[in-house]
Amino acid sequence: DVKVTQSSRYLVKRTGEKVFLECVQDMDHENMFWYRQDPGLGLRLIYFSYDVKMKEKGDIPEGYSVSREKKERFSLILESASTNQTSMYLCASSPGIRGAFFGQGTRLTVV
Amino acid sequence: EDKVVQSPLSLVVHEGDTVTLNCSYEVTNFRSLLWYKQEKKAPTFLFMLTSSGIEKKSGRLSSILDKKELFSILNITATQTGDSAVYLCRLNFGNEKLTFGTGTRLTIIP
Repeated sequence: DVKVTQSSRYLVKRTGEKVFLECVQDMDHENMFWYRQDPGLGLRLIYFSYDVKMKEKGDIPEGYSVSREKKERFSLILESASTNQTSMYLCASSPGIRGAFFGQGTRLTVV
Repeated sequence: EDKVVQSPLSLVVHEGDTVTLNCSYEVTNFRSLLWYKQEKKAPTFLFMLTSSGIEKKSGRLSSILDKKELFSILNITATQTGDSAVYLCRLNFGNEKLTFGTGTRLTIIP
């Protein structure tokens, strides 16, 4: 069975904290993605990676960074969390053409 | 200003047809050219092309880059209704620059 696992389902952090969201996939996919989903705005791409140590900015990379040290793991980092980063974060992996497999999502609240 | 122009802007074909989408650009100092498919949500990565003349293929989709003539094409054979989407190409300069093409809206009629 295909599996994309995000480390936390719910997370509450304080403003200014450094936040790590972890995503692991077991399908040996080269491509991994981080999105955020907000009501009325749909799914927006933050960063993606097409290979180990490679990363590409998506549509809204500001305030985020990523790390891909191993093929199976793609981390999203909020260096200094802010309230406008309260959102649902979705990780996905993909072999390229056949669509993306999504994790269960992490609902992050920044207070 | 770096310019990336895709053609056609919009294309409507019948299921089973083959389509060729074009991405033309005017700059040469980029690291790679990427193709994406965008349906209702965020774009899905399709191909990354770095070398001229080497075709990348995945199922019914293929793509090639011509650095001499400054264009790339995305080919879709035996189209299906699920191929209906906006197709985007993008130049990667290896820095903060994000240069997307104008996009081609592809509609496949059953």
